[in-house]
Amino acid sequence: EDQVTQSPEALRLQEGESSSLNCSYTVSGLRGLFWYRQDPGKGPEFLFTLYSAGEEKEKERLKATLTKKESFLHITAPKPEDSATYLCAVQASGTYKYIFGTGTRLKVLA
Amino acid sequence: NAGVTQTPKFQVLKTGQSMTLQCAQDMNHNSMYWYRQDPGMGLRLIYYSASEGTTDKGEVPNGYNVSRLNKREFSLRLESAAPSQTSVYFCASSGTGTAVGSIYFGEGSWLTVV
Repeated sequence: EDQVTQSPEALRLQEGESSSLNCSYTVSGLRGLFWYRQDPGKGPEFLFTLYSAGEEKEKERLKATLTKKESFLHITAPKPEDSATYLCAVQASGTYKYIFGTGTRLKVLA
Repeated sequence: NAGVTQTPKFQVLKTGQSMTLQCAQDMNHNSMYWYRQDPGMGLRLIYYSASEGTTDKGEVPNGYNVSRLNKREFSLRLESAAPSQTSVYFCASSGTGTAVGSIYFGEGSWLTVV
């Protein structure tokens, strides 16, 4: 069964304190892995797509990496405005479905 | 640049009432989705439409029906609402079918069933 597990469930960081969020996945043929940011009361906002092991993508203070079993979202020197829930999703080969993890709630304190 | 638009934003229903959530996308995407999001459960797929004229069940379809009205519009209907259907509902669309590509979400519809 295709499955996505994210850890930790919640994370509190001081401003400037770098850390990583984890997304472990089990899927029958990975077509793509996706990271989203979700602010309270809003829909998920697309951040990155990763297609194959070894790939990396960056956007401002965020960097996503991918291995054959997991993905990491590295946050470098975070700011309070980075506070949000970060969601990971996978799309399996030959399917239209996207399977989501339950997310990591990130709080960055000033 | 509306992207994915959902209506209504908020709705309160009594148990047994029916209602339809409307969704439209202006990105010329082929595939559309309805998810519900509950605390601790994440986003769960209710129904999806791979292309105009087709619909398929997702993970939690019971109590819901969908209609792919045309390429732009995909509606979700609750025939007889139950308190267990209190949730936030998100419509999403994707342009790439089974090819690799992201999906894009609407802003959500908050539904309370009392």
